Amino acid sequence: LAKTTQPISMDSYEGQEVNITCSHNNIATNDYITWYQQFPSQGPRFIIQGYKTKVTNEVASLFIPADRKSSTLSLPRVSLSDTAVYYCLVGRSNTGKLIFGQGTTLQVKP
Amino acid sequence: SAVISQKPSRDICQRGTSLTIQCQVDSQVTMMFWYRQQPGQSLTLIATANQGSEATYESGFVIDKFPISRPNLTFSTLTVSNMSPEDSSIYLCSALAGTGLPGELFFGEGSRLTVL
Repeated sequence: LAKTTQPISMDSYEGQEVNITCSHNNIATNDYITWYQQFPSQGPRFIIQGYKTKVTNEVASLFIPADRKSSTLSLPRVSLSDTAVYYCLVGRSNTGKLIFGQGTTLQVKP
Repeated sequence: SAVISQKPSRDICQRGTSLTIQCQVDSQVTMMFWYRQQPGQSLTLIATANQGSEATYESGFVIDKFPISRPNLTFSTLTVSNMSPEDSSIYLCSALAGTGLPGELFFGEGSRLTVL
């Protein structure tokens, strides 16, 4: 599975849009990109998943360029409760397993 | 979706002993995994729990140290054997429901182990 690289930390303020970019240069043709959120003392929680172009759900948007070597998680109008660690992962459908990278610690300030 | 319950939620153990963590899912799932997360660190995949057969371990993890069982589609156990302080960590069970997206894993709250 492709290794992912993302910023270690980011700061933002309430109400702002936050974009976290992840690089996965060695992504294979059949791999998908998925993002998870983790709060302290909790297990990770699935946010969004995509294969190409743009995916949007009630929580976030995921932008994937045509070459798929990177992806950007967009969180609209963050609040203090969005302070968490965000993980970008590349997965393969036939294995199910996911390898977690270092993650991005997002700190939302008032 | 799937709700995952782990027991114990936390425990303090003595060096040299073994502890078994139980993972119960509220619905049948296709795949189950065990992860370890040390304080302030990311998650590390230990193994894939295979139903009715031996688990598939990731590099650096062996069956003698982390025996895993999965007798059916909703239950799995992870044993941490002959524990040392280096095994102090949070152990997380996760599952792939099979009816959702291929990357949509559900996680338990974790079992926090402290080895003295």
